[in-house]
Amino acid sequence: QVQLVESGGGVVQPGGSLRLSCAASGFTFSSYGMHWVRQAPGKGLEWVAFIRYDGSNKYYADSVKGRFTISRDNSKNTLYLQMNSLRAEDTAVYYCAKDPNSNYVMSSWGQGTLVTVSS
Amino acid sequence: DIQMTQSPSSLSASVGDRVTITCRASQSISSYLNWYQQKPGKAPKLLIYAASSLQSGVPSRFSGSGSGTDFTLTISSLQPEDFATYYCQQSYSTPPTFGQGTRLEIK
Repeated sequence: QVQLVESGGGVVQPGGSLRLSCAASGFTFSSYGMHWVRQAPGKGLEWVAFIRYDGSNKYYADSVKGRFTISRDNSKNTLYLQMNSLRAEDTAVYYCAKDPNSNYVMSSWGQGTLVTVSS
Repeated sequence: DIQMTQSPSSLSASVGDRVTITCRASQSISSYLNWYQQKPGKAPKLLIYAASSLQSGVPSRFSGSGSGTDFTLTISSLQPEDFATYYCQQSYSTPPTFGQGTRLEIK
């Protein structure tokens, strides 16, 4: 069965960097698009980024464009989110999610990893 | 960006009740509307996709309807495990956007 396990979260100072990982198993990772979605404490869901199955196309929310980079290593079944120039407003639980048809339907989600940006 | 507005923001109901949550898009999104359930401390779970298609494994008491700009999620007979927050999400265009959520509480 599908399993997505995020890691890499933690506390970082404003302006700092962090790289999140999402380890996938139970499906053919290289065949599916993947998303990052975040949720600030006590708030709703916010889409962050999407990458196609082969990494050929990437899309970002305006709020992270130019600061965050989504990538994947299909040989390692792993999705990444490189986060630079972090701000307090980036504090959130970050989820990775599988998109079976690359049509922005998020059918399976990981458990999330918390990123806290604070001095 | 397409704005998604849910109503109500919160709702109190009893086990066995029939409940309806509404989602409105700021422009027509055809049937590109999905519903998710999220319990405290847990990841969201896909319930309904393409406005009315039930995700595999989701109980049949959940149903969705609508097209264009107005959509509904209905739970026909509330069960204790249904008390959660529900989000709609449009998958019509980039960026995909979510409603603010509807918190369903026990009366």
